[in-house]
Amino acid sequence: DVVMTQTPVSLPVSLGGQASISCRSSQSLVHSNGNTYLHWYLQKPGQSPQLLIYRVSNRFSGVPDRFSGSGSGTDFTLKISRVEPEDLGDYYCLQSTHFPFTFGSGTKLEIK
Amino acid sequence: EVQLQESGPGLVKPSQSLSLTCSVTGYSITSNYWGWIRKFPGNKMEWMGYISYSGSTSYNPSLKSRISITRDTSKNQFFLQLNSVTTEDTATYYCARAGSSFDYWGQGVMVTVSS
Repeated sequence: DVVMTQTPVSLPVSLGGQASISCRSSQSLVHSNGNTYLHWYLQKPGQSPQLLIYRVSNRFSGVPDRFSGSGSGTDFTLKISRVEPEDLGDYYCLQSTHFPFTFGSGTKLEIK
Repeated sequence: EVQLQESGPGLVKPSQSLSLTCSVTGYSITSNYWGWIRKFPGNKMEWMGYISYSGSTSYNPSLKSRISITRDTSKNQFFLQLNSVTTEDTATYYCARAGSSFDYWGQGVMVTVSS
């Protein structure tokens, strides 16, 4: 299975500040069709996960442009600028290039 | 708008089968892929499997001998059955539209395996 190493585990941030979360895969996530299936999710307290970014850098419908994704191959980053209270929760990366699909272990974004 | 809703028992005894239903509105399950994901206490998330628009399935090998995903297209529902459960199957179970990413999720159902 592809191992997704997500860091940090916990990320204290100030409101209005910037946060960065890393996700590294144990093998390249470039599919044979040329696409890279690395996605980012936010799970707010008491809610189900919601898709933020799909295929590395594409914001899902309704996601503010404060969220941005980047990376390639095995190394990916989610950046959140101007952090707002509604951004708090658990962030996960997911790879769906290789079977079985696998998730990162999560990053808890909390107020400093 | 696509909406998914899980339903099923919240408590299952060890060695029995766990059965959940995902009801979908706003989109036909004869299009796209439809999956099950679970989140364990301690926050680890696991993709369990999916059923495609044609009815074909793909499962996580870690579950392959115990899992079955089926569907009823007339009711626009798909189902999860997990056999021979143990306490390690205690988790919150989510259904989601799969595609290349899981873009729409149900609210989740917490299932506890306990005698």
